[in-house]
Order: sequence, then C-alpha cells, then structure tokens
Amino acid sequence: QSVLTQPPSVSGAPGQRVTISCTGSSSNIGAGYDVHWYQQLPGTAPKLLIYGNNNRPSGVPDRFSGSKSGTSASLAITGLQAEDEADYYCQSYDSSLSGWGVFGGGTKLTVL
Amino acid sequence: QVQLQESGPGLVKPSQTLSLTCTVSGGSISSGGYYWTWIRQPAGKGLECIGRIYTSGTTNYNPSLKSRVTISVDTSKNQFSLKLSSVTAADTAVYYCARGKNIVGGGWFDPWGQGTLVTVSS
Repeated sequence: QSVLTQPPSVSGAPGQRVTISCTGSSSNIGAGYDVHWYQQLPGTAPKLLIYGNNNRPSGVPDRFSGSKSGTSASLAITGLQAEDEADYYCQSYDSSLSGWGVFGGGTKLTVL
Repeated sequence: QVQLQESGPGLVKPSQTLSLTCTVSGGSISSGGYYWTWIRQPAGKGLECIGRIYTSGTTNYNPSLKSRVTISVDTSKNQFSLKLSSVTAADTAVYYCARGKNIVGGGWFDPWGQGTLVTVSS
C-alpha cells in the first residue's frame, strides 16, 4: 500500500488531454512538501518529468505540467502522443516516516 | 553531466547479504546540495525508497528495511554502496541508485542509474 495514491491506469486518444492524480495526506503533500513526477518508459529507469510541483527540467516538452492543491497533486499531459505511453509516478516526502521520500503506486498511461 | 551506474551480483542466495555499488561519473559525489539514494522496484510493481546517504556520512533508511540496510559512501572512489542482509525472495527487484536534491520542502531524484536486477534464489 503506497503512501501516495494514484489511479492504476488512465487512457486517452492521440491529441487528447489526460490528468493523473496523486492523493496524499496531512503528513506529506498537505504538510507542504513538494511533489515531483517521473516517467518510466518500458524497460527503462524512471526519468524526472516535473519537479517542485510545476517545474519542467530542460528537455521536457511543455505538454507536461504539474499542479498541487491541499493534499493532492496532478500531472496533466496535453496533445497526447504515442510515445507518452508509460508509467508515471508521483513522489514527495512524509513527516511520519522520518522525512523520507515516498512514491505513489504508479499510473499506467495507455494511448489508444 | 552526472551519470550513475550500479554494479554487483545479479543473483543472491536466501539469507545472504545483497551488496551493490553505485559509481558516480561526470561530477563529484561530494558536490554540495545533494544526497545519494537507493530505490528498488519489484517486477511489475512500484518504486520503494531504501535509504539515502550524505557525503558527511549521515544516513536515513526506510523504516521497513532499517534493521537490514547499510548504506556507505567512499568519496575517494566517487562511489556509494548498499548492503541488505538476510534477503528473501521478496527482495528480488531492480535496484536503482539516484542523486537526490537536498532542499527544504523535499527534493527530487535526478539522475538515476540504469538499474540492476537482483534475484534472490537458491
């Protein structure tokens, strides 16, 4: 059972917009800890996609955006492309676990 | 740019100790503002933080693994290492090393190593 809750799967057609939620609690996201997002393509290591709730590392398309409110965060992907099909993970910190990093269970994005 | 590479045995017998090393290249492991971490992923499952170490030697471990985990750093070799004792089949996973950004509010992990599969089996 992951500390952060994500939907197991989402799907969308090419060109559409999808969102992936990440729900936490008052000891992690709600406590003010930042949320970060990672993309894991099949057979590869996770790659940083969004950091500090809504910042994109160099090279990440602006089709990807993040937001945070209260005890939840969201990742939005617009103009969906076939190469976006991957697993997506949110990550934050949790004060009840000695301030250590915690992940969501991951969301499989299928591009129809 | 900084790159990380895991190395170590791919097969460990039950009850033995899993040992992995992460070699950092393209930058100094002693660079300020970062810590160094191990993360694992069982097949078909999600990511789990194992532990982290600062170059000062300070460590933090996942409470569920704390009794079995030791992470150490060798700044002269630009490496950090993981030891996980008394392994069982449940420890079979891809093990990643990563650099963590040390900031107020909780940092992110970037970059990551490519990962190494460790199988626990007799």
